[in-house]
Amino acid sequence: DQQVKQNSPSLSVQEGRISILNCDYTNSMFDYFLWYKKYPAEGPTFLISISSIKDKNEDGRFTVFLNKSAKHLSLHIVPSQPGDSAVYFCAASERYSTLTFGKGTMLLVSP
Amino acid sequence: GAVVSQHPSWVICKSGTSVKIECRSLDFQATTMFWYRQFPKQSLMLMATSNEGSKATYEQGVEKDKFLINHASLTLSTLTVTSAHPEDSSFYICSARGPGSGANTGELFFGEGSRLTVL
Repeated sequence: DQQVKQNSPSLSVQEGRISILNCDYTNSMFDYFLWYKKYPAEGPTFLISISSIKDKNEDGRFTVFLNKSAKHLSLHIVPSQPGDSAVYFCAASERYSTLTFGKGTMLLVSP
Repeated sequence: GAVVSQHPSWVICKSGTSVKIECRSLDFQATTMFWYRQFPKQSLMLMATSNEGSKATYEQGVEKDKFLINHASLTLSTLTVTSAHPEDSSFYICSARGPGSGANTGELFFGEGSRLTVL
């Protein structure tokens, strides 16, 4: 039973355009959501997070949107750059406990 | 930011042998570390929570006698895969909460990961 789902295994975007990565969750008790970026053969690095009391959080080119009623969150990268090419993991936690990860979406940004 | 380091990055071993993976917090003390496992094209799966000075808490389905976790100091946790078999081949990643983060899981820092191949 997958509580955090990233239904798109891959996404291709042209440099300069917007990348939108989606994530759905089923556990209504999740109250903290995070995005991690992972390069091959490396550990994930924290990118951006959002608490359930907010619906948007922005950090530079990265914005995370949370729709609690739909149990959906998305990560927007604008403008996309070739260096953004990586696997992006959505993760969620309940009351700041351990993280539950999605399967990841591989983003490829072409020049 | 805080740094977590894992060693070794790559390890190949024969079936039946044991392999130890180290996870160190380089510039901060970590009372809690987490061990994850990742199969190809799968999500990171939490294996266990390692607590300094006490027994690790294992997730359901993870064999504690096979995956031995020792958190002997505030900067080091080790994962030992005992009597490894080919199905144990995977990517193992540790993480730790950064300094001063309290219960905020957003400040989890991950190691580089260790790829284990069991022949």
